[in-house]
Amino acid sequence: SQQGEEDPQALSIQEGENATMNCSYKTSINNLQWYRQNSGRGLVHLILIRSNEREKHSGRLRVTLDTSKKSSSLLITASRAADTASYFCAPRDAGNMLTFGGGTRLMVKP
Amino acid sequence: NAGVTQTPKFRVLKTGQSMTLLCAQDMNHEYMYWYRQDPGMGLRLIHYSVGEGTTAKGEVPDGYNVSRLKKQNFLLGLESAAPSQTSVYFCASTIGGGGNQPQHFGDGTRLSIL
Repeated sequence: SQQGEEDPQALSIQEGENATMNCSYKTSINNLQWYRQNSGRGLVHLILIRSNEREKHSGRLRVTLDTSKKSSSLLITASRAADTASYFCAPRDAGNMLTFGGGTRLMVKP
Repeated sequence: NAGVTQTPKFRVLKTGQSMTLLCAQDMNHEYMYWYRQDPGMGLRLIHYSVGEGTTAKGEVPDGYNVSRLKKQNFLLGLESAAPSQTSVYFCASTIGGGGNQPQHFGDGTRLSIL
């Protein structure tokens, strides 16, 4: 198993702006998942991108994966105050375990 | 359909006491996991189960035991609580293995050891 490392650790933007979060990992992966955690709540799955995919969209979310650079990015377009949360990437190798980094804390100001 | 339910939501223990955290899921998921979340460290896997009657160690299993007597329940036990076990504990489940399924999380148990 390996740990995803998110960057930046914290991000503050105005409502309507785009937010980009990055994730780096160490070794080959089966897939990479992104999760959101609102304050005081559990993690919620956002999107899964497989190792043979380069880009995936879900509503205002866009995830890219570059396996040659061992990195992924999550873009939230036209952000809203309700997007304020911590975001975690979770690389998944051939085993059954997800590993999480410390996350990116996103603050969207109204 | 409640998803993943954790009880209790909060608990304060004294050093040396024991307790059991309960996780219940109503999605008929095969796999269940226990994580702990500490500030700035993300989630770390304690134990997991790939089916009823099975358990396996994760990244940080010391000081914890687990049981999966029923498919829908996954119990996490602290044998002799220590201040280092103060944390937020999350349970998660997934429909199966293969690595291509999202995990569903409960809202956590906030545990303080004095």
